[in-house]
Amino acid sequence: DGGITQSPKYLFRKEGQNVTLSCEQNLNHDAMYWYRQDPGQGLRLIYYSQIVNDFQKGDIAEGYSVSREKKESFPLTVTSAQKNPTAFYLCASRETGKNEKLFFGSGTQLSVL
Amino acid sequence: KNQVEQSPQSLIILEGKNCTLQCNYTVSPFSNLRWYKQDTGRGPVSLTIMTFSENTKSNGRYTATLDADTKQSSLHITASQLSDSASYICVVRSGGYNKLIFGAGTRLAVHP
Repeated sequence: DGGITQSPKYLFRKEGQNVTLSCEQNLNHDAMYWYRQDPGQGLRLIYYSQIVNDFQKGDIAEGYSVSREKKESFPLTVTSAQKNPTAFYLCASRETGKNEKLFFGSGTQLSVL
Repeated sequence: KNQVEQSPQSLIILEGKNCTLQCNYTVSPFSNLRWYKQDTGRGPVSLTIMTFSENTKSNGRYTATLDADTKQSSLHITASQLSDSASYICVVRSGGYNKLIFGAGTRLAVHP
């Protein structure tokens, strides 16, 4: 099955702890994205990567970090500097060609203990 | 400021009934508008895309319209089913793919 896999589904963070959210895709897409979804708000872009070994900050990058060492993988680390990390995190990859669209993973719900 | 506003915020309808969801946007430049369906606890899935020159597009029981002059789009669902219960998100692209503006969504509940 082709698609995007996010893990874990649920994650809990303690005060001062860094946590990493996994995102893997086997769609052979170059571009990948991380979004944050809060209740009653639209998705907001955290980081994106157009190609391996390159990534750019989105609108709300503070307190987050990413890496893109492989085409298939785009992990997101929520650092202790992110003071309000509780949210639903969505990873996506982008299909190229006419009418490109995003394919989303099933998300990770991060909560603070 | 680029914005996408959706209404209503939530909606309850009976199975078999029709409904229309609204999306108003103030985005410039405009590239395209896409509707997504998001089931609870899942990622969004694309339903349809509207470009500047398109007025209407259908995908099964879903019909999207776009009025580029008034900057409004609608998503009409015909003969609703229980499986239509989800959030419907309107997304406008303004330039590159790092310039997607997401609406907050309309939460639809279809009751038997």
